[in-house]
Amino acid sequence: RKEVEQDPGPFNVPEGATVAFNCTYSNSASQSFFWYRQDCRKEPKLLMSVYSSGNEDGRFTAQLNRASQYISLLIRDSKLSDSATYLCVVNLENNDMRFGAGTRLTVKP
Amino acid sequence: EAQVTQNPRYLITVTGKKLTVTCSQNMNHEYMSWYRQDPGLGLRQIYYSMNVEVTDKGDVPEGYKVSRKEKRNFPLILESPSPNQTSLYFCASRRDGPYEQYFGPGTRLTVT
Repeated sequence: RKEVEQDPGPFNVPEGATVAFNCTYSNSASQSFFWYRQDCRKEPKLLMSVYSSGNEDGRFTAQLNRASQYISLLIRDSKLSDSATYLCVVNLENNDMRFGAGTRLTVKP
Repeated sequence: EAQVTQNPRYLITVTGKKLTVTCSQNMNHEYMSWYRQDPGLGLRQIYYSMNVEVTDKGDVPEGYKVSRKEKRNFPLILESPSPNQTSLYFCASRRDGPYEQYFGPGTRLTVT
């Protein structure tokens, strides 16, 4: 089993749709979690950290489920500019960060 | 401006010709790392460094070398590049601990 797994997609959704991505991780000792956004051929950039209590930033909501070992990202009211690849990142107990392979999202007019 | 810089951004070279990709950060971060990104495989760590003069292998270190003589610089060296090292390379840095990583703009390397 991979340490961090994501559905590669692609997810093709119309503007205004709500879309959710999940990411599962195998190490129960994982301590911190992030979602990064990567545009085509560009560097990944932090979208949001994922806190135990869940957190929201505008149209984006991140959740952590430690019991089932997954994190999720919900995007409401999708915009064309949300089209990108979303990377799940899990920080292991030795501060080693592991990246998922990414989920590609395309928002269409 | 806080940033990670990489050079060159694009490089086409031939098999066996030694090359170095530079990486520099101005955020006084202890931790630096190199990744390669290939379609369908995501980001894979090549080498990382917890601090000056401390480097360790990541998941795919074969064919690469690194050095960390100064805190801000972490060059990636390919002594004898081969076509299977054609990839998109990212340098990243962060504070010591479970904090976000900041990535450089990437270096697209083609080895023919």
